[in-house]
Amino acid sequence: DIVLTQSPLSLPVTPGEPASISCRSSQSLLHSNGYYYLDWYLQRPGQSPQLLIYLGSKRASGVPDRFSGSGSGTDFTLEISRVEAEDVGIYYCMQGFQTLLTFGGGTRVEI
Amino acid sequence: QVQLQESGPGLVKPSQTLSLTCSVSGGSINNGTFYWSWIRQPAGKGLEWIGRIFASGSTNYNPSLKSRVTISLDTSKNQFSLNLRSVTAADTAVFYCARTNYYYYSGLHVWGQGTTVTVSS
Repeated sequence: DIVLTQSPLSLPVTPGEPASISCRSSQSLLHSNGYYYLDWYLQRPGQSPQLLIYLGSKRASGVPDRFSGSGSGTDFTLEISRVEAEDVGIYYCMQGFQTLLTFGGGTRVEI
Repeated sequence: QVQLQESGPGLVKPSQTLSLTCSVSGGSINNGTFYWSWIRQPAGKGLEWIGRIFASGSTNYNPSLKSRVTISLDTSKNQFSLNLRSVTAADTAVFYCARTNYYYYSGLHVWGQGTTVTVSS
C-alpha cells in the first residue's frame, strides 16, 4: 500500500495570509503519462470531502484560483495564496496511482 | 449535475450485514465512463477507501476488507450498493459514495453527503 504522510497535523492560519500543507508519499506517484496521481480534498465541518486539486496541480471545477498544487516524485504541496474564513476544515491528500486508493491522515486548518 | 445520495439503516447489530445504497441522479450509472466508489470515515478519523464498481460490474476492493465486502449495481434503479458482512463496532463510521472517471483520471470529483452507521447491540 502507498502511505501518505501529511504535515503539519494542525495549521493555524490568518485570513489574507498564505498557507501551505505538505504530503509525502512512500513511493513515486508519477504515472507513465507524465502526470502525478495525487489529489487534494477539503472536508469542511459537517460536510463530505470535496475535490480541490487532481493530478497534482489541476484545479477541480469551481475551485478558486487561490488554491494551487505542486510537487514531484514523492513530495507534494497544497498552497492557499490568501486564506479566507471558508477555507477552514481538514485537508486530505489522496493517491490514485494504485487501484487501492489511500489518503493522508489529514491537516486541520483553523483560524 | 450528477448527485449521489446514500441511504440505509443507521444501526446494525454486531455480526450482521451492513447494507447501504447510493442513488445516482442527473446521470446514468450505466454509461460506462465512471467508477463508483465507497469510502468510510470513523468519527474523528481519516478516510478509508472500501472499493469500487464499474458499469460492467467489475469490482476492486480494499484488501483489508475484501473478505467481507460486496459492491453491486442495480441499473434499473440507477443505484449501487455496499454489503459489509460480519460487522463489529470497528465498522461504525460515516459511509460516503463517490464517483471518478474511468477513461481519464479526475480524482473523486463527486461525493454523496454521507450516511452514519453505528454497529451496536
